[in-house]
Parts: sequence; structure tokens; C-alpha cells
Amino acid sequence: GAGVSQTPSNKVTEKGKYVELRCDPISGHTALYWYRQSLGQGPEFLIYFQGTGAADDSGLPNDRFFAVRPEGSVSTLKIQRTERGDSAVYLCASSLQAGELFFGEGSRLTVL
Amino acid sequence: AQKVTQAQTEISVVEKEDVTLDCVYETRDTTYYLFWYKQPPSGELVFLIRRNSFDEQNEISGRYSWNFQKSTSSFNFTITASQVVDSAVYFCALSEDGMNRDDKIIFGKGTRLHILP
Repeated sequence: GAGVSQTPSNKVTEKGKYVELRCDPISGHTALYWYRQSLGQGPEFLIYFQGTGAADDSGLPNDRFFAVRPEGSVSTLKIQRTERGDSAVYLCASSLQAGELFFGEGSRLTVL
Repeated sequence: AQKVTQAQTEISVVEKEDVTLDCVYETRDTTYYLFWYKQPPSGELVFLIRRNSFDEQNEISGRYSWNFQKSTSSFNFTITASQVVDSAVYFCALSEDGMNRDDKIIFGKGTRLHILP
């Protein structure tokens, strides 16, 4: 389809493991955002890219979290040494004009 | 620092009633954008509206209307003649200095709206 695609849709992992979450934005969208959403909460900003560069990564909670977008399209959010508190739905969105974000369905991460 | 407050955690109304969702924001910038997003039970967030800080004109789109008041730092959302399909979580959001480029968007905690048949 033409929307934002996120994989995997569900990921269950054990504490301490490494996880990668992938986002395939809408073709031509230069801005890409990562958020995470816990149950009953609003999306929490993590990082956003303009093209290949991270324009603002102030929301990454600590150095276990890292994201890349090497060719300005697909992005990968990487989480090292996962902790139970990392369990959430990780949302990706892309944008062509300011603020009108198109969200994917999210990747639900469960850390046991 | 920017902040969005949605004081109403959950609202229930009977179908066909009007309902207003409140949003209060904080920002030190004079240039900013405000947004509303809808998250239906299926989970995918959907953009509803964007309003820039220089345009206080209220907007109406079908049964939806938005009231932006800079004097009270509020951007409230009203649904008239509500329908069951309006049941969702609604998020208000704010972006600073986002006039001509993308910037990070901060979301409120959302208001869960139940429309009862």
C-alpha cells in the first residue's frame, strides 16, 4: 500500500536483548518521526529526521536507543540491552508538510 | 518548554449530543502550530487539523469545529451531533517554530471519547 509500513507489528523479546524496528515511510516524504506510546498515554517524541540526518533526537531516553535513516527513506530504530520499561508501541510517521503526520500501525514491543 | 494539557481523560456522551474536547498549551515561541489527531480503536493515528499561531479564525469541517484562543492558550475541538463512529482517543499536539519546516510535535495525553448509542 501507499501508507507508512512498520515491521515487525509485534515483537516479544527477553530483557537484555537487542531489537530493531523498521519503518518504511510514504515515498517522497522527507521528514520521518519516531514516537513511542504506552497504554493510556499520548505518543512520546523520540527522534525525527529530515532526509538522512537526525534533526532532533532530544526525545531518545538514553544511549541504548539509536535510530538511523541512511538513504533518507527507510529508518531503523535500534534498542540495545532492552529493559522491561521499554515495552510500548513504537510509532513511526512521515510527513511532507509541517505537522501533517501520516502514522504507521506501530510495532508493539514486549520485553519479558 | 512546550507542553500540551488535555484535562479530560475520558468523556461519554449519548449519540447526537454535542461534545467539546479541551486543549491547553504552553509555549515560549510566538510562532507555532497546533494540531488535533484521532486514534480510533484500530490504533492508527489520523491527522484532523493544523492551525498556525497567526490564524485565530475558527474552523469548521462538517460536524467538526475548532476554537483557537491565544488569550487563554486553548485550542478546543467540538463535535456536533456526535456519532458512534466518533468514538476514539483524540490528541491535541503542538509544534514550535514549525511555520515552513517540520519540527518535533509534542502530544497531549489524549481524551478518550465514548459515544453511546
